Amino acid sequence: AQSVTQPDIHITVSEGASLELRCNYSYGATPYLFWYVQSPGQGLQLLLKYFSGDTLVQGIKGFEAEFKRSQSSFNLRKPSVHWSDAAEYFCAVGAGSGGSNYKLTFGKGTLLTVNP
Amino acid sequence: KAGVTQTPRYLIKTRGQQVTLSCSPISGHRSVSWYQQTPGQGLQFLFEYFSETQRNKGNFPGRFSGRQFSNSRSEMNVSTLELGDSALYLCASSPRDRVDEQNFGPGTRLTVT
Repeated sequence: AQSVTQPDIHITVSEGASLELRCNYSYGATPYLFWYVQSPGQGLQLLLKYFSGDTLVQGIKGFEAEFKRSQSSFNLRKPSVHWSDAAEYFCAVGAGSGGSNYKLTFGKGTLLTVNP
Repeated sequence: KAGVTQTPRYLIKTRGQQVTLSCSPISGHRSVSWYQQTPGQGLQFLFEYFSETQRNKGNFPGRFSGRQFSNSRSEMNVSTLELGDSALYLCASSPRDRVDEQNFGPGTRLTVT
């Protein structure tokens, strides 16, 4: 069965500093990987996704993530954090069967606090 | 194009009652998935419907059920509510049965007292 681990429950960074959120996955086949962001009281917004091809994926809001198969990782990065980036971030792996994928398995999330 | 809508946004129920939550997918989307989000367990897959058929179900008790209508709108029902059912329930729709195209709604916050 697939699983996702986000080792950092809470990260605090200063505005303007760089950011890296860690994600490790376990999945038997080629994974479909995602990063979502959730602001308080809101649903999930997709930041970026990886299926195949270039292992460095660009997303919205200046985020990028790098897929490393050898390390089973899909870390999220941003060169300069803005106060509006404060939110909870979820890494997820897509899974399914019979040629379709229908289910996301999420990590526990990383809460990002941004200091002025 | 309107996004995924969920109603109601907030709900308070008493233990033992039942509740029905509604999800209206993006126009043209045929697949609807439901997830439960709690502080302890995080985000967990409940079930997925495609063209009015439940095709996949997560590891939840039978008290959790759902259905999908011909217009792709979906409802989920929880019977005999327990305190632990307090959660944010998220609905996601996609054109087909692919998670890469899922769009999430804002969720329904259910509080069981």
